[in-house]
Amino acid sequence: GQQVMQIPQYQHVQEGEDFTTYCNSSTTLSNIQWYKQRPGGHPVFLIQLVKSGEVKKQKRLTFQFGEAKKNSSLHITATQTTDVGTYFCAGRPGNNRKLIWGLGTSLAVNP
Amino acid sequence: EAGVTQSPTHLIKTRGQQATLRCSPISGHTSVYWYQQALGLGLQFLLWYDEGEERNRGNFPPRFSGRQFPNYSSELNVNALELEDSALYLCASTSGKLRVRFVEQFFGPGTRLTVL
Repeated sequence: GQQVMQIPQYQHVQEGEDFTTYCNSSTTLSNIQWYKQRPGGHPVFLIQLVKSGEVKKQKRLTFQFGEAKKNSSLHITATQTTDVGTYFCAGRPGNNRKLIWGLGTSLAVNP
Repeated sequence: EAGVTQSPTHLIKTRGQQATLRCSPISGHTSVYWYQQALGLGLQFLLWYDEGEERNRGNFPPRFSGRQFPNYSSELNVNALELEDSALYLCASTSGKLRVRFVEQFFGPGTRLTVL
């Protein structure tokens, strides 16, 4: 079936280091969304990418959607302790309203 | 505007019992999604309701069921509880008015179910 693989599962960095998480889909996606879940919280929408090769930035966060619309990445520059949490990608195949979720990357930041 | 609400916040049951979890979507949202988040397992899709009908379900046994009411609120029922059902159950809602492609999910705070 349709799958979205997300790597790495865990990442531990020193504050100030960069961080990247990657998502790879088994099928072409019409769009991909990214969510952040703080410890003890619920997932909160960060961004949606729709166009092939699209790059979007939110302050220190850079989101990319691959040319083939099968992969995506989230890069955080100079991590801060406030970045701690689990980052999920979720892709939508075709015009299906159902999202296919990655298992998430848990980020820990040492101050 | 009120967000997605879920009740109860915590629920403790014993094996074999039944649990009912409730979700109220954002006003105007017609779709409700249910997810199970067990420790270390990410978000596992359970059920999707839209306009009162079940549209899709994930790979869970039939003892996981639910419904959506005319006011678009939803219930998740778990029968014959097992220890491995212990998890955070999240509800999310989406608007039915936006184009299908641009539908962000808004999550509630979740119900923490513990099965003893």
